[in-house]
Amino acid sequence: NAGVTQTPKFRVLKTGQSMTLLCAQDMNHEYMYWYRQDPGMGLRLIHYSVGEGTTAKGEVPDGYNVSRLKKQNFLLGLESAAPSQTSVYFCASSFPRLGTYEQYFGPGTRLTVT
Amino acid sequence: AQKVTQAQTEISVVEKEDVTLDCVYETRDTTYYLFWYKQPPSGELVFLIRRNSFDEQNEISGRYSWNFQKSTSSFNFTITASQVVDSAVYFCALGGGSQGNLIFGKGTKLSVKP
Repeated sequence: NAGVTQTPKFRVLKTGQSMTLLCAQDMNHEYMYWYRQDPGMGLRLIHYSVGEGTTAKGEVPDGYNVSRLKKQNFLLGLESAAPSQTSVYFCASSFPRLGTYEQYFGPGTRLTVT
Repeated sequence: AQKVTQAQTEISVVEKEDVTLDCVYETRDTTYYLFWYKQPPSGELVFLIRRNSFDEQNEISGRYSWNFQKSTSSFNFTITASQVVDSAVYFCALGGGSQGNLIFGKGTKLSVKP
């Protein structure tokens, strides 16, 4: 099993450009999450999904959109990138029926917006 | 509201010293989970431990030990005889609630010098 994978690993965007980050998991997990990590801030939840076709906002959703068309994939979109979105993005998945809240994290995507 | 506080932003020790990383949490849930993750300089998140709210037994794993005290809402992490490879950012996190996501502290950066 590959676990949770993220594409791309690094990206540099110019202000106003758009891009999509792809998260894929092969563990048949129902829940998926996108977090961002900024220096001194820990990880903060952007959006999450509790199942195929459903998404919801987290703590810092502004400027991002997400889609979960397939159970194994969770896409994070930036329509018009801003320097404030320079961050490291982590995707995670979990299997809530276990009731443990354990999350499996991807390796992260480092995004720089100039 | 749920919250995790890691008051120590940075800690620097000399190899072989013992070091304790503090974590204080807030939650109104009666069932919750606490986690510690390690983030080495390479950037990935490494799962260290999960503890549920009903199990206050301390845990030891090699040089690592965890002290969970519900009375003080703390879940502290001790590294005995620290090594240079322990240098990393350590995150404490709280899991609970219907969203299934984790609430992270801001992290403690540990530097172990030879």
